[in-house]
Amino acid sequence: GAVVSQHPSWVICKSGTSVKIECRSLDFQATTMFWYRQFPKQSLMLMATSNEGSKATYEQGVEKDKFLINHASLTLSTLTVTSAHPEDSSFYICSARVKGLNTEAFFGQGTRLTVV
Amino acid sequence: GIQVEQSPPDLILQEGANSTLRCNFSDSVNNLQWFHQNPWGQLINLFYIPSGTKQNGRLSATTVATERYSLLYISSSQTTDSGVYFCAADTNAGKSTFGDGTTLTVKP
Repeated sequence: GAVVSQHPSWVICKSGTSVKIECRSLDFQATTMFWYRQFPKQSLMLMATSNEGSKATYEQGVEKDKFLINHASLTLSTLTVTSAHPEDSSFYICSARVKGLNTEAFFGQGTRLTVV
Repeated sequence: GIQVEQSPPDLILQEGANSTLRCNFSDSVNNLQWFHQNPWGQLINLFYIPSGTKQNGRLSATTVATERYSLLYISSSQTTDSGVYFCAADTNAGKSTFGDGTTLTVKP
């Protein structure tokens, strides 16, 4: 199957700093990527849809100025958590689909963010 | 949006037992996937199954799209099967809605 690589796998940062997470589709082009957040013992919740060459679409309740998404190419989307606070500590996962909507979603391995 | 419900929320099995996990969804779906989340949080894609039946070793899945449910069967369970099983469905724009998961514990 297709491979989605996420980096870093884990990161610890200080309150007030920014953290960038990368999501790459290694062997296919993804016009659309998705970012999810998972708190401990909870399900995955969609944060935003990242579209190559255009602005991301955020789900209700997700602050677009805090979670900056850039989808600069067909194989790379980045999520930047700006001015991170302890409540932003979570597991962030991206997914991508081969071009076309009725296809299987491939997920990255996730990034565990801890803000201290 | 679409609602996805999984049952049971928790399941404890003895090694070697069989189990069935259920996923109900509230609307017609384009895609339905089953995942296993391991202790490190990584999502392992088990099945892409918007309809029909698939089998992979001890695991199989069936989706009855007209009745809006999917089942994941685990036979001869092993301790390594422990973890959280999620189903995810999407209807438009490729956005996946996840159920709350079933936490499976297989005891030796």
